[in-house]
Order: sequence, then structure tokens, then C-alpha cells
Amino acid sequence: KQEVTQIPAALSVPEGENLVLNCSFTDSAIYNLQWFRQDPGKGLTSLLLIQSSQREQTSGRLNASLDKSSGRSTLYIAASQPGDSATYLCAVWNSGNTPLVFGKGTRLSVIA
Amino acid sequence: EPEVTQTPSHQVTQMGQEVILRCVPISNHLYFYWYRQILGQKVEFLVSFYNNEISEKSEIFDDQFSVERPDGSNFTLKIRSTKLEDSAMYFCASSEWGQGAYEQYFGPGTRLTVT
Repeated sequence: KQEVTQIPAALSVPEGENLVLNCSFTDSAIYNLQWFRQDPGKGLTSLLLIQSSQREQTSGRLNASLDKSSGRSTLYIAASQPGDSATYLCAVWNSGNTPLVFGKGTRLSVIA
Repeated sequence: EPEVTQTPSHQVTQMGQEVILRCVPISNHLYFYWYRQILGQKVEFLVSFYNNEISEKSEIFDDQFSVERPDGSNFTLKIRSTKLEDSAMYFCASSEWGQGAYEQYFGPGTRLTVT
């Protein structure tokens, strides 16, 4: 059974710092990995989707990498801003028609 | 930009009552999903729906739950007899296709409170 773990559970950084959020998964037979942002009491906003054949994806200040064989992904946020404060969720889609399996998220606070 | 919408944003109901949560997926998407998130816990898959039938469901999705696409735009989740433990945020999502190649887009959620 696929398990997704995100470390750290919470992170507090000063504005302007570059940071890395980690995601690991136990079953490497995935189709894709998706990073989401969740603001308190709100829905999930998709940030990046990495297909299993890709190594990384970039969108603005965000860069996500995928090492499928080792079961790891990282989300790199450059030059963090207070508006980046949110919970970041990692989710994987296993082979076959199975649904997304989510991690518990990393709660990020960027202090001005 | 197209988005998934959900109504209501917050629903309060008494234990044992039936509730219907509504979703309007993105118009050209073919796969629809319901997930839930109990406060402080992970987002959990409930059910996926394609071509007017359930394609996958989790252990959570028991006989108390049902889904329907009553018309060309709405996608609903019905809970027949709510329990206290059904209190959660319920998210609808849609994707152009299944098989993991396509991004899932989530709605803002419906917060269900069962008293």
C-alpha cells in the first residue's frame, strides 16, 4: 500500500530565504507526482505535476524534482515571500487507475 | 481560467440526516473525484467516476455514500444517514482523463459539520 511522507511537518523561515520541502513515497511504481498548496480552510491549488518519466518541473519560483527510483521528490521555493505561507501537499498517482495518495503536508510560515 | 466549483461552502446537519454535496467540474473534463479531509488529517480518496459510473472507490465509500451526475454539468455526493465521523472537508476534483497522466483540479471544498 502506497504511503506518502512529508518532512518537515512545519517550517518557519525569514522572507527571502530559499527552501526545500521533502516528500517520500514507498512504492516507486507511480504515474505522476503532484504538488499542491492549501491555504487554511481552503481548497487545494495545483502547483506542479511531474510525470514519472520526468526529472523536474519549474513554475516561476517553484521547482519540483522527482527521483522515482529512490521514492523522493523535493519542492524548491526560491526567494520566499510571506504570501507563500500555506500548507504544501505532495500526492502520487500509482500505476493503474488508482487515485491520488496524499502526504500530510508541510506547513510553511514565511516571516516578513 | 476554468475552475471546479462546489456548493454549499459549509453545511451543518444533524446526525442521521441525508446531505447532498454539489460540484460543477471543469467542462471538458471526463474524470471526476471526491476526496475528504478530516480536520488535521490527510486528504483521503473516496471515489472516482467516469462515463456515468464509478471507476474506483475506497473502503471509506460504503453503502451510505453515493455519487451521481444528474445532468451534463453537476456531480453530486450523497450521504444517506450522516454520522458524527462524517464531519470533514469534502473536495471535488476533475481531470481531462484518468490513468495518472493528467493534472487533477480541486474545488474549494464543502465543510460538512454533523452535530
